[in-house]
Amino acid sequence: AQKITQTQPGMFVQEKEAVTLDCTYDTSDPSYGLFWYKQPSSGEMIFLIYQGSYDQQNATEGRYSLNFQKARKSANLVISASQLGDSAMYFCAMRETNTGGFKTIFGAGTRLFVKA
Amino acid sequence: DVKVTQSSRYLVKRTGEKVFLECVQDMDHENMFWYRQDPGLGLRLIYFSYDVKMKEKGDIPEGYSVSREKKERFSLILESASTNQTSMYLCASSLLGTTLSGNEQFFGPGTRLTVL
Repeated sequence: AQKITQTQPGMFVQEKEAVTLDCTYDTSDPSYGLFWYKQPSSGEMIFLIYQGSYDQQNATEGRYSLNFQKARKSANLVISASQLGDSAMYFCAMRETNTGGFKTIFGAGTRLFVKA
Repeated sequence: DVKVTQSSRYLVKRTGEKVFLECVQDMDHENMFWYRQDPGLGLRLIYFSYDVKMKEKGDIPEGYSVSREKKERFSLILESASTNQTSMYLCASSLLGTTLSGNEQFFGPGTRLTVL
């Protein structure tokens, strides 16, 4: 069963506008962490933002914020004031407890295109 | 500057060959991961390790094995390469921490493996 679901294969946004990338997850573990990563066309994976399952406030990092709705099991990434350099693949990931270590799994990704 | 390096950026092998993909990190991280990345499927976890000589299966371990003899090195082995293992392979590392630690993963540049 898919544990991380990103339903938008591709998204377009106008430069300087905000955009929301969707992510839903499935876990029965009360303790988990949610991450977003960016992968530009160059291929490197860049960490953007983190939200812990017990965090009361939504995480923010500069132009990135995470809209965390625990009851809905969603962790959407909001990018404000989009820039051309935001064009990339974006991956949602979840870290959960495992019998040994901490397993981190990823969604299929959303490709964001920022239009000038 | 933190670094995760992978032994090859591009690799071409023949069906049935034994293939070794090497990953080295210089951050003293406990956790190390191997993923494969395919279009439309995102990153799928093959194996991970939280300590020397420890390994845990990910979501798609079939056809792969791993070795972690030293903390800094995590090897992915394809015992008998097949054409359906043609993919981009990404190695990552992170601090162990706890489930709720915001310990992001650091990724290598990837190895694009083609099996003919």
